Amino acid sequence: DIQMTQSPSSLSASVGDRVTITCRASQSISSYLNWYQQKPGKAPKVLIYAASSLQSGVPSRFSGSGSGTDFTLTISSLQPEDSASYYCQQSYSTPNTFGQGTKLEIK
Amino acid sequence: EVQLVESGGGLIQPGGSLRLSCAASGFTFSNYAMSWVRQTPGKGLEWVSAISGSGGSTYYADSVKGRFTISRDNSKNTLSLQMNSLRAEDTAVYYCAKIYSSGWFNYFDYWGQGTLVTVSS
Repeated sequence: DIQMTQSPSSLSASVGDRVTITCRASQSISSYLNWYQQKPGKAPKVLIYAASSLQSGVPSRFSGSGSGTDFTLTISSLQPEDSASYYCQQSYSTPNTFGQGTKLEIK
Repeated sequence: EVQLVESGGGLIQPGGSLRLSCAASGFTFSNYAMSWVRQTPGKGLEWVSAISGSGGSTYYADSVKGRFTISRDNSKNTLSLQMNSLRAEDTAVYYCAKIYSSGWFNYFDYWGQGTLVTVSS
């Protein structure tokens, strides 16, 4: 199975900050990488698919980059509603494994 | 509007069986592969199983292979997960999720609200 490792596990940032979350795969997964946002008590919601494609309806302050083994999710200007947990997921091979998550708190 | 509504969760003793269902609406169900994903506080999100649009192909995580069976009824727009020989480590919120495929890329574009399964004596 492909292992997905996210960092940091948690972070705290202020409104307007630029925030970056990283995700590393244990082997190359090309661009088969998706990012999800999850708020407490809710199901995950896709933000980015294929490493850098923005899902319809997702604010443009969210962006993704990377290929191979190293990926990043960037929020260009943090908003209060971005307080959530963020997960990466590889769709290169079955099982489609997830990272352990990053909990983002607004200061 | 796409809707996925899970049901069937509950408290079950170790070794018992449970059947989860997911009622789908708002899209042509038979055109899309579907999946079950579970979430525990300790292990985070874990992909459990997936099934093709026709139901002809199924996939399982090693942790559930031989115990869980995924199926679908395209005439009723329903996805199911039969869970047998349940263990404490199967305790989780179970989500059904629609799989969207764009070329070679696929991702979960819609999720249900989840149903809690608790395996405990």
